[in-house]
Amino acid sequence: GDSVTQMEGPVTLSEEAFLTINCTYTATGYPSLFWYVQYPGEGLQLLLKATKADDKGSNKGFEATYRKETTSFHLEKGSVQVSDSAVYFCALIQQGGKLIFGQGTELSVKP
Amino acid sequence: NAGVTQTPKFRILKIGQSMTLQCTQDMNHNYMYWYRQDPGMGLKLIYYSVGAGITDKGEVPNGYNVSRSTTEDFPLRLELAAPSQTSVYFCASSYGRDGNTIYFGEGSWLTVV
Repeated sequence: GDSVTQMEGPVTLSEEAFLTINCTYTATGYPSLFWYVQYPGEGLQLLLKATKADDKGSNKGFEATYRKETTSFHLEKGSVQVSDSAVYFCALIQQGGKLIFGQGTELSVKP
Repeated sequence: NAGVTQTPKFRILKIGQSMTLQCTQDMNHNYMYWYRQDPGMGLKLIYYSVGAGITDKGEVPNGYNVSRSTTEDFPLRLELAAPSQTSVYFCASSYGRDGNTIYFGEGSWLTVV
């Protein structure tokens, strides 16, 4: 069945460092792909999405490109801030609107 | 602008007790979902609904029941609580099948002892 695999955390970075969180997927067809962010004590918020191959989603300085050849959707940010500390989830959407999530990657940014 | 509202936020249950997690959305969304989040496991779909009167099982439905009598409400029932149901529960809703319109509630932390 469909699945999403993320790099394990926690990831600890210094402020202004470059961030990459790897995400790969297995799916039938070419589903839309998402990154969600969860700040401490809160629900999930959509960070960015891509709906087809080679699409690049971007928001708040974060980017991810839908790579069909490598079935990947890695999240990147050029310069992280302390306020980016959160748990990040990669997800794909199945028919009927059901999201399949990766296990989440905790990011901690130190000043 | 309420969005998706879940109650309670925190609850401790004894083994064998029953309870209902409430979920209400005020966006007139057709689709509603219940997920559970376990540490290091991501979110797993418990049940979902595509409209009032229609519900279906997700990945991990055992031990839970749902109903959808109105568009706004989608309660999740635990009949005989077990320690394995200790988790964080998220309700979500969306207008259609496009993922960028899925809105999540703030979560309900449930501990079964």
